[in-house]
Amino acid sequence: GQSLEQPSEVTAVEGAIVQINCTYQTSGFYGLSWYQQHDGGAPTFLSYNALDGLEETGRFSSFLSRSDSYGYLLLQELQMKDSASYFCAVRDQNQGGKLIFGQGTELSVKP
Amino acid sequence: DAGVIQSPRHEVTEMGQEVTLRCKPISGHDYLFWYRQTMMRGLELLIYFNNNVPIDDSGMPEDRFSAKMPNASFSTLKIQPSEPRDSAVYFCASRRTGGTEAFFGQGTRLTVV
Repeated sequence: GQSLEQPSEVTAVEGAIVQINCTYQTSGFYGLSWYQQHDGGAPTFLSYNALDGLEETGRFSSFLSRSDSYGYLLLQELQMKDSASYFCAVRDQNQGGKLIFGQGTELSVKP
Repeated sequence: DAGVIQSPRHEVTEMGQEVTLRCKPISGHDYLFWYRQTMMRGLELLIYFNNNVPIDDSGMPEDRFSAKMPNASFSTLKIQPSEPRDSAVYFCASRRTGGTEAFFGQGTRLTVV
């Protein structure tokens, strides 16, 4: 089976940097994704890591260490609009296309 | 492209009634996923299809739930009979082979009273 762990909530101030960690256990691993969800709306894709290292997309970066079964999402220059839930998700290699989500981290950005 | 389209957006039904949720994936996407989201259980994968074939339905809660994909552009998730504990937001998502991004619909908010 698969399981993912991430903090339930994080609070930070505008302009700051925040890191959301994710650890996973899976019988087969293909890649780690991050999604953002505002107020129960449709989750939207942020990033994907299949190999170790850092992927940068604007203010957001995502890191993966396959040997540690660990990844994180780094948000820089936080803005109020970044307040949302952030989900890590693993793509299970054994199943090919299966995409399993963590419980989500609720990020609150304060002025 | 209009994105993944789900209907209805909201559904309120009485316990014991049949509920059918509908999804139209993005054209050309050959993976389709059904998720259920609740505060307690987060985003649970119920079932997913590849090329209209169900690949893994291990997340379907019980026999009251069934899903079909009769063609590449349409899928349904049916609950019969519905129960109050089925109240949740149900999301459909699609992805193309080789793609890294799953695209989600706006969801169906189901309330069973």
